[in-house]
Amino acid sequence: GNSVTQMEGPVTLSEEAFLTINCTYTATGYPSLFWYVQYPGEGLQLLLKATKADDKGSNKGFEATYRKETTSFHLEKGSVQVSDSAVYFCALRRGGADGLTFGKGTHLIIQP
Amino acid sequence: DVKVTQSSRYLVKRTGEKVFLECVQDMDHENMFWYRQDPGLGLRLIYFSYDVKMKEKGDIPEGYSVSREKKERFSLILESASTNQTSMYLCASSPPVLTAGELFFGEGSRLTVL
Repeated sequence: GNSVTQMEGPVTLSEEAFLTINCTYTATGYPSLFWYVQYPGEGLQLLLKATKADDKGSNKGFEATYRKETTSFHLEKGSVQVSDSAVYFCALRRGGADGLTFGKGTHLIIQP
Repeated sequence: DVKVTQSSRYLVKRTGEKVFLECVQDMDHENMFWYRQDPGLGLRLIYFSYDVKMKEKGDIPEGYSVSREKKERFSLILESASTNQTSMYLCASSPPVLTAGELFFGEGSRLTVL
């Protein structure tokens, strides 16, 4: 079956540090890949997505590249801010009516 | 913008009570989903629906049922709430697409069962 594995954290960084959150997946076929973000007390918001191999998703300074050869979709940001503190979820979707398969989430804490 | 609205942000119920969690979306989406979110477990799919009156079990349907009488509304029902159903419940919707598009989520309903 489908599965997503990501580092769980918490990950604590100083402001302006470089961020990488690793995500690897197992799925048959060619899933779409997503990063969602959840700020404290809120629901999930789509951060970025990629629908085919070698696609790069980007938003708000975050980037992730769909790497089929390594089945990975690592999230990166060059300089994090305190406002980036949140829980980040990597997810995949096979298509049709099926929902998303999520990783367990990574709690990111950015210190001033 | 797509809006998914969950009727209650916070609920406190007693063991054995029947609980209804309501979700409404305003974008005419065919697909709707209920997830529960627990620390260390991430999000797990309870049920989903791809059309009115249609429903499919997700990964953890035990103890839950759903109702979809109208396209815009998807209800999650706990027939007899138990303490292990204390959790954050998230509703989501998406259009029917051939390629796998994103889900749009509501704000969540935090349920505490005493």
